[in-house]
Amino acid sequence: DSGVTQTPKHLITATGQRVTLRCSPRSGDLSVYWYQQSLDQGLQFLIQYYNGEERAKGNILERFSAQQFPDLHSELNLSSLELGDSALYFCASSVDLATYEQYFGPGTRLTVT
Amino acid sequence: GNSVTQMEGPVTLSEEAFLTINCTYTATGYPSLFWYVQYPGEGLQLLLKATKADDKGSNKGFEATYRKETTSFHLEKGSVQVSDSAVYFCALSDGTGNQFYFGTGTSLTVIP
Repeated sequence: DSGVTQTPKHLITATGQRVTLRCSPRSGDLSVYWYQQSLDQGLQFLIQYYNGEERAKGNILERFSAQQFPDLHSELNLSSLELGDSALYFCASSVDLATYEQYFGPGTRLTVT
Repeated sequence: GNSVTQMEGPVTLSEEAFLTINCTYTATGYPSLFWYVQYPGEGLQLLLKATKADDKGSNKGFEATYRKETTSFHLEKGSVQVSDSAVYFCALSDGTGNQFYFGTGTSLTVIP
């Protein structure tokens, strides 16, 4: 158990809908990362937050957004969903920007029908 | 830019065989290098890391050496077990802690 929690575990929704994925980092970790894992694209870095502020952006679509709240939990919002958004979404956390180990949550499996 | 190229799988080995999974990288600056493992149905777990050239990371019988001259970080294990069956990801941190770059993953199956 990494100490990172993600909810929900599974999510099934229709095209065009909007969903919110939630992540609670390990106790004491200030940095949260979001990743998308799909069969054809592998593991893609989406976005990183550090202590409430956005720090880095990867291959995140404009339809996707995220935020980190004062209690350090983070939410990833996916809107106008398409079939191709079906994937595993992982959250990871680390202590700070200078600490390089990331601890991954169990993931949220999103299925768009 | 930064990137990681990883040996394609899937790899199937018999128990007690020697394992090598190749990983090479392209990076500016002084990256840190990692191997992560993903067991079926789970998230990724850090397996080992190396933060500077010539460092050797090791854990659970796995080893990898950070080779700057060949820009490589190959994963090795002398004798694999069935329980090592998983997907292995090589990764690079750009040195700022802001972004990680992952390889495509190599699926390993160990048969008894």
